[in-house]
Amino acid sequence: NAGVTQTPKFQVLKTGQSMTLQCAQDMNHEYMSWYRQDPGMGLRLIHYSVGAGITDQGEVPNGYNVSRSTTEDFPLRLLSAAPSQTSVYFCASSYTQGDRGMPAFFGQGTRLTVV
Amino acid sequence: GQQLNQSPQSMFIQEGEDVSMNCTSSSIFNTWLWYKQDPGEGPVLLIALYKAGELTSNGRLTAQFGITRKDSFLNISASIPSDVGIYFCAGRSDSWGKLQFGAGTQVVVTP
Repeated sequence: NAGVTQTPKFQVLKTGQSMTLQCAQDMNHEYMSWYRQDPGMGLRLIHYSVGAGITDQGEVPNGYNVSRSTTEDFPLRLLSAAPSQTSVYFCASSYTQGDRGMPAFFGQGTRLTVV
Repeated sequence: GQQLNQSPQSMFIQEGEDVSMNCTSSSIFNTWLWYKQDPGEGPVLLIALYKAGELTSNGRLTAQFGITRKDSFLNISASIPSDVGIYFCAGRSDSWGKLQFGAGTQVVVTP
């Protein structure tokens, strides 16, 4: 098992550019989510999905889009990058969100810098 | 906004020491989680707690779900160099609620 795989690991964007952060898991997990990590702050939820075709907003969704066409993949799109989106992004997965399912598996992260 | 307060923010400990960190919430939680993040890596789930008073161990790590349901504690016994990293608490108020994360405790272990 590869677990949760994120690409790219590093990215520099210019303000206004768009890009997609990729996330894939091979554990057949229903629940996937995206978090951003900023210095001195806890992880903040951007978007999440409880299964293929179902997505919902988290705590900080503005400026980001997601889709879940398959169980395995959950890409995060930055529509028009802004310096405030400079952060480290983590994708996570687990069997379910409810009851005992938690974001138990995280990817290695994508460090994004917007200049 | 963030409702979890995690303390201390950082700690410098000597190898072999026992350490403790805690997390408090402004509201009652029904689940507490503890994660560890190594430099350049994603968080790894260490311990999950599901009821008040629950005490769970994972090797030298022990976590407790506070009786008030508004706090949780993580203890590391006999620390070793590989305990270095950032420890995060996370919690939620109901089974379908979104997790909230603390800001983390940075642990540095000196020989």
